[in-house]
Amino acid sequence: GAGVSQTPSNKVTEKGKYVELRCDPISGHTALYWYRQSLGQGPEFLIYFQGTGAADDSGLPNDRFFAVRPEGSVSTLKIQRTERGDSAVYLCASSLTYNTDTQYFGPGTRLTVL
Amino acid sequence: GESVGLHLPTLSVQEGDNSIINCAYSNSASDYFIWYKQESGKGPQFIIDIRSNMDKRQGQRVTVLLNKTVKHLSLQIAATQPGDSAVYFCAERGSSNTGKLIFGQGTTLQVKP
Repeated sequence: GAGVSQTPSNKVTEKGKYVELRCDPISGHTALYWYRQSLGQGPEFLIYFQGTGAADDSGLPNDRFFAVRPEGSVSTLKIQRTERGDSAVYLCASSLTYNTDTQYFGPGTRLTVL
Repeated sequence: GESVGLHLPTLSVQEGDNSIINCAYSNSASDYFIWYKQESGKGPQFIIDIRSNMDKRQGQRVTVLLNKTVKHLSLQIAATQPGDSAVYFCAERGSSNTGKLIFGQGTTLQVKP
């Protein structure tokens, strides 16, 4: 596919469970970003990668959140001990490099914690 | 702290009219600004961007204006169409050393036929 893809599109889980959200960036894009969007709000930055390393993880709300990108392509956002307040749409974006400006977004994963 | 905000939460326009969506930003060091369109259930879609060394940039039916003096950004849509109905977000990047974008809360554009 030509665009950023995210799986699953929807995830329903119970409070306290562990979840993984996957992002496949546009081929050749070295920078990858995770944002979280609550209802009626703009996306909120979580973390971004340049290659395999996390260049800025200042947006991760606490240590229950973790993201990896082991081969510099696909990334997984991991949330441990989910809480109801984690319910949101998790968006992934990619760009050619971190300062090659345009970030292209995927459709998002809607996470619902019951 | 850093913030990007929008003046109006909802804008309603007649089909065929021009639309202007406004955005205020607070970080005078921001070097790059971008507008996204988001339809219900979809991810943000790139519309147009502008660097801080420019004050105007035009695309197809869209124009972005940047006024650094008053830290104001606007998106103009010419001949607004029903397909333009969506939420519009502006975002800023604090410096060229980061990829982090800071988004505003969004303006809903409603196009009346």
